[in-house]
Amino acid sequence: EADIYQTPRYLVIGTGKKITLECSQTMGHDKMYWYQQDPGMELHLIHYSYGVNSTEKGDLSSESTVSRIRTEHFPLTLESARPSHTSQYLCASSVPQPGHLGETQYFGPGTRLLVL
Amino acid sequence: KQEVTQIPAALSVPEGENLVLNCSFTDSAIYNLQWFRQDPGKGLTSLLLIQSSQREQTSGRLNASLDKSSGRSTLYIAASQPGDSATYLCAVSPPNFGNEKLTFGTGTRLTIIP
Repeated sequence: EADIYQTPRYLVIGTGKKITLECSQTMGHDKMYWYQQDPGMELHLIHYSYGVNSTEKGDLSSESTVSRIRTEHFPLTLESARPSHTSQYLCASSVPQPGHLGETQYFGPGTRLLVL
Repeated sequence: KQEVTQIPAALSVPEGENLVLNCSFTDSAIYNLQWFRQDPGKGLTSLLLIQSSQREQTSGRLNASLDKSSGRSTLYIAASQPGDSATYLCAVSPPNFGNEKLTFGTGTRLTIIP
């Protein structure tokens, strides 16, 4: 079973501050993802990575940026936080299933961000 | 654009009953469908993955079925337990893409009443 860690779990911060949400996984998965989820709403993909030095934007436009310098680490950064960034951010990684059935997705516990 | 709908949004069931959760999708050209559960304040846990050529998958008390032509999937939970209380989400992926193209539903919040 994959282990994905996210820190901090909760963050309350003032407008204009720079923040970095950390995500690490220990299973050596190449593909990693960042999702944004508001209460009662579906998950929206904001960034993903196919591996080291690969970063792609997801379907939901986001002012955040990501980096992938190491396989296990996929941090997300907001240069200047705003109240509209208040949300839950979920990190995930995936691994192909045998037989080309698809990819099993593993999620971290999430970071709840509140920007005042 | 693929849309995934889960109705009802919330469901309460007495402990011990069998239940069915529904998932529908608008574009039947899918590669696979996945069911997840999400506990309050936590991330998602993968439950079952059904490839488009399969009709069902089983894991313990869970059975997921897929009718691709009608754009429907169901998650059957047998002999429900309070520990099954969670939000259940389904997600579909299109052909020729990986999970970077997953489309999620908004979920069904399930409460098992002891």
